[in-house]
Amino acid sequence: QVQLLQSGAEVKKPGASVKISCKTSGYTLSSYSMYWVRQAPGQGLEWIAWISAGNDNTKSSPRLKGRVSVKRDTSAKIVDMELTGLTPEDTAVYYCARGEWGKLDQWGQGTLVSVSS
Amino acid sequence: QSVLTQPPSASGTPGQRVTISCSGSDSNIGGNTVNWYQQLPGTAPKLLMFNNNQRPSGVPDRFSGSKSGTSASLAINGLQSEDEADYYCAAWDDTLNGHYVFGTGTRVTVL
Repeated sequence: QVQLLQSGAEVKKPGASVKISCKTSGYTLSSYSMYWVRQAPGQGLEWIAWISAGNDNTKSSPRLKGRVSVKRDTSAKIVDMELTGLTPEDTAVYYCARGEWGKLDQWGQGTLVSVSS
Repeated sequence: QSVLTQPPSASGTPGQRVTISCSGSDSNIGGNTVNWYQQLPGTAPKLLMFNNNQRPSGVPDRFSGSKSGTSASLAINGLQSEDEADYYCAAWDDTLNGHYVFGTGTRVTVL
């Protein structure tokens, strides 16, 4: 069955960077886009990035002003998301989710990133 | 700040019908399909509806979706206790080089 397994929780200082991995199984990674979504404590869902199927085209949230990047390693079946210039406002649970045309049909379990001095 | 507006809460007794609205604009709902997600407390979101009104396998048919113009709605017929959750609409937005947007979220309470 399709599974998305994310790396573990992270604690970071302001100004640092964080990389979260999403290990996939049960399907062909290059056949689907991957979305990254985050949820701050007690808040709603926020889309942060997308990498397309096949040609690795990427988009990211205008709110993050170029601080986020997404890369895919097809051979390792992993998609990584890196967020730089962390602030306490980046404290959230981060999810990877497989999708096509906005239909996010499989989600990772979530990774908590805490940013505090 | 989300560009898709939902009511913060909705409620009903078991067996009742509950509807959740999602208001957007021409650049998102007006020109793209709408998806809905259900998030139970402490869990990852789950796809509930895609392409405006299509249910993934395993989603009960008491859930239905619709879209008209720049608005969409999710209906729950025959509300059950296990439907108590947060619900989010979402769609691609064609502005700013394209970005995906979620609604503000609606908490459904079963009284």
